[in-house]
Amino acid sequence: EDKVVQSPLSLVVHEGDTVTLNCSYEVTNFRSLLWYKQEKKAPTFLFMLTSSGIEKKSGRLSSILDKKELFSILNITATQTGDSAVYLCAVEGTTDKLIFGTGTRLQVFP
Amino acid sequence: DAGITQSPRHKVTETGTPVTLRCHQTENHRYMYWYRQDPGHGLRLIHYSYGVKDTDKGEVSDGYSVSRSKTEDFLLTLESATSSQTSVYFCAITRDPQMNTEAFFGQGTRLTVV
Repeated sequence: EDKVVQSPLSLVVHEGDTVTLNCSYEVTNFRSLLWYKQEKKAPTFLFMLTSSGIEKKSGRLSSILDKKELFSILNITATQTGDSAVYLCAVEGTTDKLIFGTGTRLQVFP
Repeated sequence: DAGITQSPRHKVTETGTPVTLRCHQTENHRYMYWYRQDPGHGLRLIHYSYGVKDTDKGEVSDGYSVSRSKTEDFLLTLESATSSQTSVYFCAITRDPQMNTEAFFGQGTRLTVV
């Protein structure tokens, strides 16, 4: 059965800290892994990682994919209160469906 | 932002009543999905569609039906709402999963069944 597991479930840090969010997966014929940020609205797309693109960076956010060990990490450096959100990891396989993890809730305090 | 809208945004309904949620897209994407989001479960797929009149069940399809009579609209119906269907419902679209394109989500519909 395809599954996506995120850890930790919850994380509390202070502004300026660096955080690492984890996503491990088991999926038939992996196609892509996606990271989303969800605040009090719909998830917004952050990164897509595929076999041809295993490392992405945008500002303070970066992500890598390890296809051998079947996991991805999302790094956020110099965190800000605006980074507080639930971060969702999703994986796409042969079923053409996105399988989501339960998310990591990040709280950043001043 | 991708042109995807959900309606209504909020709804309170009584147990046993039928409810229909609408997802409308202006992107002409072939694939559309309905998810529900509940604490501790993340997003779970209810039904999805891979074209007009082509739909299939997801992992939590019991109690739900869908219809796609035209490319831009994907309707989710609760034939007889139950309290366990209180949730936030998200619609998503993708151009073509075969091309590894990202999914775009609607703003969500908060449904409360009392």
